[in-house]
Amino acid sequence: QQQVKQSPQSLIVQKGGISIINCAYENTAFDYFPWYQQFPGKGPALLIAIRPDVSEKKEGRFTISFNKSAKQFSLHIMDSQPGDSATYFCAASDDYNQGGKLIFGQGTELSVKP
Amino acid sequence: NAGVTQTPKFQVLKTGQSMTLQCAQDMNHEYMSWYRQDPGMGLRLIHYSVGAGITDQGEVPNGYNVSRSTTEDFPLRLLSAAPSQTSVYFCASSVQGRVGNEQFFGPGTRLTVL
Repeated sequence: QQQVKQSPQSLIVQKGGISIINCAYENTAFDYFPWYQQFPGKGPALLIAIRPDVSEKKEGRFTISFNKSAKQFSLHIMDSQPGDSATYFCAASDDYNQGGKLIFGQGTELSVKP
Repeated sequence: NAGVTQTPKFQVLKTGQSMTLQCAQDMNHEYMSWYRQDPGMGLRLIHYSVGAGITDQGEVPNGYNVSRSTTEDFPLRLLSAAPSQTSVYFCASSVQGRVGNEQFFGPGTRLTVL
């Protein structure tokens, strides 16, 4: 079963716009929610991460919003740039008990048009 | 630091052949993992290890074996390759970061089974 569901599958945004990617999870034991960014031909790299004790985390143009009651979290990319064009994966884990065992969403291919 | 290295970069096998995908890291990380990436499926965990001599299964372990004799190396073995194992394979090592377990991915191995 897919424990982390991600949408949309693909996203096209104009330069300067806001990109929004959503994820939903089922396992209430999950306590760590990272986002990874992957460029073509490369391995994924950690972008930003959040714990469920906060509802929002911002790093530069990237923000995670977290809704514990709805079991949903999302990535917002403000002022999107062509260099942000990549595949984005949300993930989740029961980090306290099983650190290193990440469950990934299906991925979102973001294209930012100049 | 070389980070996480994987060999080979590309491999073509015939059904029934065996091979080992190599993974090494020089960051002295305790956790190491193997993922496969397929279109529309995200990254799925195959096997992971929390330290030398300790391994455990992930979401999709069937058809794959691992061992961890040293902290640095975590090879993935395909005993009898099948076309369903055509995929891109990523190795990762991880360490507890500021927020949670941060995974560092290698560049990947693209495997085709004919």
